[in-house]
Amino acid sequence: SQQGEEDPQALSIQEGENATMNCSYKTSINNLQWYRQNSGRGLVHLILIRSNEREKHSGRLRVTLDTSKKSSSLLITASRAADTASYFCFILTGGGNKLTFGTGTQLKVEL
Amino acid sequence: DTAVSQTPKYLVTQMGNDKSIKCEQNLGHDTMYWYKQDSKKFLKIMFSYNNKELIINETVPNRFSPKSPDKAHLNLHINSLELGDSAVYFCASSQGYTRGETQYFGPGTRLLVL
Repeated sequence: SQQGEEDPQALSIQEGENATMNCSYKTSINNLQWYRQNSGRGLVHLILIRSNEREKHSGRLRVTLDTSKKSSSLLITASRAADTASYFCFILTGGGNKLTFGTGTQLKVEL
Repeated sequence: DTAVSQTPKYLVTQMGNDKSIKCEQNLGHDTMYWYKQDSKKFLKIMFSYNNKELIINETVPNRFSPKSPDKAHLNLHINSLELGDSAVYFCASSQGYTRGETQYFGPGTRLLVL
């Protein structure tokens, strides 16, 4: 299996519900980032969490990092239809010369 | 103004042909990247340049050759195209690369090899 595995692969929820997606990795990291990709578009950076941080917030986004379990989670609260997209974790290791995207979670928020 | 632009947006070509994809960023960034996204949406780094110097060169067939004429441009040339090269290719840039600086992505080039 590769570095940066995400689950679930796909998630379908109703508007207003919370969405949680998880990313697991294998080696020590410098930091972990989350990106969003709308269908047919490039990726957009959402949030970065450093290896010495445990939790970070940005608007309706909450990211946690557990380095002992080598995992991170992204929580989107009060989801909206516009949150429908694919979400990828991004892992930086090896002093910056090893870049890996997770396998992605496809989120669908229905009205 | 588009921060990271790629041309062309779509590319349909025959097996065996040679093609190039161009990328330009107007953000003043030092680092640029090429990624490949396959049909299952897996994203994989191909190359990265910092100030025109190659810093990441993943296991990519040598039919793929990046070229950075200046730090605002990173082009990708592909020789002898194969069916398996069909994918979406994304260019990205960042201020640096050692501290996980935010990457800014282009809109992608959809390559279809027939």
